[in-house]
Amino acid sequence: DAGITQSPRYKITETGRQVTLMCHQTWSHSYMFWYRQDLGHGLRLIYYSAAADITDKGEVPDGYVVSRSKTENFPLTLESATRSQTSVYFCASKGGGEQYFGPGTRLTVT
Amino acid sequence: AQRVTQPEKLLSVFKGAPVELKCNYSYSGSPELFWYVQYSRQRLQLLLRHISRESIKGFTADLNKGETSFHLKKPFAQEEDSAMYYCALKRVNAGGTSYGKLTFGQGTILTVHP
Repeated sequence: DAGITQSPRYKITETGRQVTLMCHQTWSHSYMFWYRQDLGHGLRLIYYSAAADITDKGEVPDGYVVSRSKTENFPLTLESATRSQTSVYFCASKGGGEQYFGPGTRLTVT
Repeated sequence: AQRVTQPEKLLSVFKGAPVELKCNYSYSGSPELFWYVQYSRQRLQLLLRHISRESIKGFTADLNKGETSFHLKKPFAQEEDSAMYYCALKRVNAGGTSYGKLTFGQGTILTVHP
């Protein structure tokens, strides 16, 4: 299925656990992004990547780790989840001057 | 630093009424601005960008550099316009590159009543 997908779509985890959110795109876009969406804050950039093996921090990177070994995948890992990381996470890729967003992952940290 | 402000968290109008969603920005360079929309249970998608100067679904937005605004307008709102709307600004690094990074406003939830 072409496009950009995220998995899982919903996740409940406990404080302190490690969680990995997956993002996959089939367009071979070079640029990919991770955002979190919180009421009152809009979307905030966590990490971005310009190409495979090239990543950089965004506005709110603390507590998150990313990797990009392949162009099509851009996983986001919460090393030790905290309640403040309860949010909806969106992955996006950029092509033709436009960012295309995935469907989002709703993460709840209890 | 770049900043995008959407002063209204919630906006309610009746069907057929004009609607304006406000967006103000602060940015030291030449801005590139966008409106994204998220309908219920759908993913975020681009509505329009200022460089295109186009009207999408009856919406228009004009960049006003003097007032540093990029308000989204529609003369006659429809119920299907109900959604979350985000204004976004394309960021530029100190070196002049952007990587397409966007700074988003806080979002405005538009509700159009029948």
